[in-house]
Amino acid sequence: GAVVSQHPSRVICKSGTSVKIECRSLDFQATTMFWYRQFPKQSLMLMATSNEGSKATYEQGVEKDKFLINHASLTLSTLTVTSAHPEDSSFYICSALRLATDTQYFGPGTRLTVL
Amino acid sequence: EDKVVQSPLSLVVHEGDTVTLNCSYEVTNFRSLLWYKQEKKAPTFLFMLTSSGIEKKSGRLSSILDKKELFSILNITATQTGDSAIYLCAGSGGSEKLVFGKGTKLTVNP
Repeated sequence: GAVVSQHPSRVICKSGTSVKIECRSLDFQATTMFWYRQFPKQSLMLMATSNEGSKATYEQGVEKDKFLINHASLTLSTLTVTSAHPEDSSFYICSALRLATDTQYFGPGTRLTVL
Repeated sequence: EDKVVQSPLSLVVHEGDTVTLNCSYEVTNFRSLLWYKQEKKAPTFLFMLTSSGIEKKSGRLSSILDKKELFSILNITATQTGDSAIYLCAGSGGSEKLVFGKGTKLTVNP
């Protein structure tokens, strides 16, 4: 199956700092990637759709100035959580859309803990 | 508003049992229905269903879609403890976004 990586897998930071999470599609090009957030015992909530070479599309209620998304190449999208606060602590998961199979493949996720 | 509803939310069985997980959906411009398995980390892909009545199989897992009733099931036969996980169902519509259900937490006891 298609491989999507995320880095880092786990990050702990102080309140007020910014954290960057990378999502890479390793064996296919992805013009579209998605960023999700998952709180404990809840399902995945889509935060934004990342399109290569254009601005991301954010879901209602997601602050675009707080969650900066950059999709600079066909294999890399980044999510930067700016001025992180404890309530931003969550499991962040990216997925990449493989057009050949019209299927999203997920990265392993990043556990963010903001102290 | 698009929605995906899974049932049951939680299921506890013994090894060797057969389970059926349910998923109903209402997705605008529906394209496909996907099943994922989530253990401790991110979801892993199981099946994508686009056509009604065609069963997809992978080992002990199988799934089928009913586009008339807007429903899908995931069957697992001869369950093993390694099948314990949360099974997520997601609908894909015209925007390529996935709408996820809340998942079914399956626990298989030895």
